[in-house]
This record gives sequence, C-alpha cells and structure tokens, in this order.
Amino acid sequence: QVQLQESGPGLVKPSGTLSLTCAVSGDSINSSHWWTWVRQPPGKGLEWIGEIYHSGRTNYNPSLKSRVIISVDKSNNQFSLKLTSVTAADTAVYYCAREGDSSGWYWWGQGTLITVSS
Amino acid sequence: SYELTQPPSVSVSPGQTARIPCSGDALPKKYAYWYQQKSGQAPVLVIYEDTKRPSGISERFSGSSSGTMATLTISGAQVDDEADYYCYSADSSGDHGVFGGGTKLTVL
Repeated sequence: QVQLQESGPGLVKPSGTLSLTCAVSGDSINSSHWWTWVRQPPGKGLEWIGEIYHSGRTNYNPSLKSRVIISVDKSNNQFSLKLTSVTAADTAVYYCAREGDSSGWYWWGQGTLITVSS
Repeated sequence: SYELTQPPSVSVSPGQTARIPCSGDALPKKYAYWYQQKSGQAPVLVIYEDTKRPSGISERFSGSSSGTMATLTISGAQVDDEADYYCYSADSSGDHGVFGGGTKLTVL
C-alpha cells in the first residue's frame, strides 16, 4: 500500500515561491515509476503540473515550465515542487500522485490547499 | 497547447447507461485515462490505457477509444456514481500530460 502525504505552508505571498513536499511511504522513491504533481483551483478542474522519474528525468506543463521545478529527495524518500513568482491564479489544492504498476496515476495524496494572498 | 474536450455535464436516470466522451487530436496515438472525483476527495483512477480497469473498480465502468474520441461508459448508473469525471492523456510528444475540463455526472 503506497501512501503519499503533501505538506506545505498553506499561505504564500504574491510574487513569492510555493514549496511543497510529498512524503512517500510503502514504496521507495527510487522505484521505477513516475511521480507527479496535479493541482485544482477552487471550483475548477484538474491541471497537470509536471512529473519526475526516479532517474531524475522531468516533464513539465508548457504553460508553467518557466516557473516550475520538481525534484527528488532520495535521502528522505520524498519529492518536491517549487513554483516561483506565484499569483492568486496559483491558489489551488495541490495533489501528488504515483503511477500504478501498469500506468495511470493510481496512488494519490489527500491534497493540500495553498492560498496565494498578501 | 494541446487540449482534451469533454461536455460540462451528463445526466441519466438510475439504471441507465451514461457515456462521457473526450476528444483530442492525439488520442489515435496516445492512451486515454479516466478519473472519478467526488466532492472534497482526491481523484480515483477508473480506466487506464483506454480500456483497462484497475482492481477494485466496478465492472460497470468501461472505456473505449476510436480515432480522436475516447469514451467512458458507466452501465447501470447508480446515485453513488455521481461525481466529476476527467479524461487524461498526453500530447503527441508524449512528454506533456493534460486533463480534460471535466464532466459532472448527475444520476437522478
């Protein structure tokens, strides 16, 4: 049973940097899977942010690419999201997820609400 | 940028079959995935690789894909199936994922 838990500041000031971590249990971050971040603004749909493979290879949403970094922290068995120059439009519930043994985002965290406000 | 298009809403009566379409230019070459999201909860994968069902997902959920259209079918829809449903796929490069806008399924 893979478990994912997002953690972050809850509130970020405009123009600041949003930093989130996803703690992984029940699996190794070194396993041969993709790990992803997805967000959902209040009352709106899901948006794929990007993904990272255990090797460190990353793919990002083209609309966010200039502001996003996803990285792996092998020593703490977690992966992270950094989003720079945030605005109110970045207010959302942020989810981390891992693909299943076949494909598709099968394992999800519970999500964490990040509000961008002064 | 690449887009997947879904209708905003679908409504059926209990016991009827609900069909939710998702269109995208790369779907002939890229798999479609379907997620169910109930209010206040994380998404749940209900169909992967166009037609496959993860363990634990009811047989009432099925998927198909033809040309630029993927379809999620829910047979014998139940009130408990009321949720938002999102299709997901990749662009033609395979490097960028994208979700459809979501379809709110109402069963009443």
